[in-house]
Amino acid sequence: SAVISQKPSRDICQRGTSLTIQCQVDSQVTMMFWYRQQPGQSLTLIATANQGSEATYESGFVIDKFPISRPNLTFSTLTVSNMSPEDSSIYLCSVGSRAGEQFFGPGTRLTVL
Amino acid sequence: GQQLNQSPQSMFIQEGEDVSMNCTSSSIFNTWLWYKQDPGEGPVLLIALYKAGELTSNGRLTAQFGITRKDSFLNISASIPSDVGIYFCAGLRYGGSQGNLIFGKGTKLSVKP
Repeated sequence: SAVISQKPSRDICQRGTSLTIQCQVDSQVTMMFWYRQQPGQSLTLIATANQGSEATYESGFVIDKFPISRPNLTFSTLTVSNMSPEDSSIYLCSVGSRAGEQFFGPGTRLTVL
Repeated sequence: GQQLNQSPQSMFIQEGEDVSMNCTSSSIFNTWLWYKQDPGEGPVLLIALYKAGELTSNGRLTAQFGITRKDSFLNISASIPSDVGIYFCAGLRYGGSQGNLIFGKGTKLSVKP
């Protein structure tokens, strides 16, 4: 499976600011996804990051709050905009295989004060 | 939306005991995946199941794709302390990479040496 890295691994931010999270894969992949995992909770899909076009957002997530870039087949960014304490979560990127499996990065642990 | 009912929510067992957890849904899934998440890490794929009735092993782990395609179970035999973590089931409704994963709420496993 692909090796996936995320930066930063963790951050503490002030409310009202924005944070951009990077996801780098060591091979070209078609499908990349961004998930949120709130404290003690399961994973919820934010959006599918499409290369060369706008991301596809799930219900409850909007582009203004979570803008996503996918400039090529090995890299994507997720920005958490105008943060509030409710945005404190682990943010995870994943890559998908043709068979439907997904492989996850190590996550970015975000705390908003 | 679609939901997966994962049980039990948590388990406290003695080292050496066998463990069983399961996921059920009211919807049919084409693929079932089982993940383990350690604290501060992203989920790691343990087993992938693609066909109804399929039984697959990975070391001490065994998982089955239910005949009705609405459920799956994971068994861990002869548990050891490093089995501690949160186990998530995930279902993929559509074929291949056309859909997204729906995650269960997780089973937190604690193993007493």
